[in-house]
Amino acid sequence: QVQLVESGGGVVQPGGSLRLSCAASGFTFSSIDLHWVRQAPGKGLEWVAFIPHDGGKKYFADSVKGRFTISRDNSKSTLYLQMNSLRAEDSAVYYCAKEYERLGYFDYWGQGTLVTVSS
Amino acid sequence: SYVLTQPPSVSVAPGQTARIPCGGNNIGGKSVHWYQQTPGQAPVLVVYDGSDRPSGIPERFSGSNSGNTATLTISRVEAGDEADYYCQVWDGSSDHHVFGTGTRVTVL
Repeated sequence: QVQLVESGGGVVQPGGSLRLSCAASGFTFSSIDLHWVRQAPGKGLEWVAFIPHDGGKKYFADSVKGRFTISRDNSKSTLYLQMNSLRAEDSAVYYCAKEYERLGYFDYWGQGTLVTVSS
Repeated sequence: SYVLTQPPSVSVAPGQTARIPCGGNNIGGKSVHWYQQTPGQAPVLVVYDGSDRPSGIPERFSGSNSGNTATLTISRVEAGDEADYYCQVWDGSSDHHVFGTGTRVTVL
């Protein structure tokens, strides 16, 4: 069965960096487009970043563009989110999500990893 | 950027019908997807492409989309339907995915 397991969250100071990972199993990882979605405490869902199956053209929310990068290692079935210049407003649960056959919706989500940006 | 607006809350008695609107400019021309999220859990897809249901989602969940409003309808509401619901679209003009502001459904 499909599994997405995020890791790498924690507490980081403003201006710091963190790298999140999402280990995938149960599907052909190299064929699937993937996303990161976040949710600040008590707030709604916010789409963060997209990477196509082949690691090609990537897209980012305006709120993280230039600070976050998304990458993947298809040989390890793992998705990454490198977060730099972190701000308090980046504090959230970060989910990785699998897009269904490039049709624009997310059919599987991980359980999330919490990032707290605080001094 | 494209904006999707939902009411913060909807209350419904058990057995009745809950309707959750999602407003967006000409949203009727887009594919709309809906997610259910219970506290502490990841979102779950309940309706995709406006009105289709993934396997395992009860027929009580249905969707419609026209003009400037998409609607998720939950028929014969049960206590277990109490959750936050989000609409979502892909905005082709920006290549961004957009979520609605979210609606908390309370079962009275």
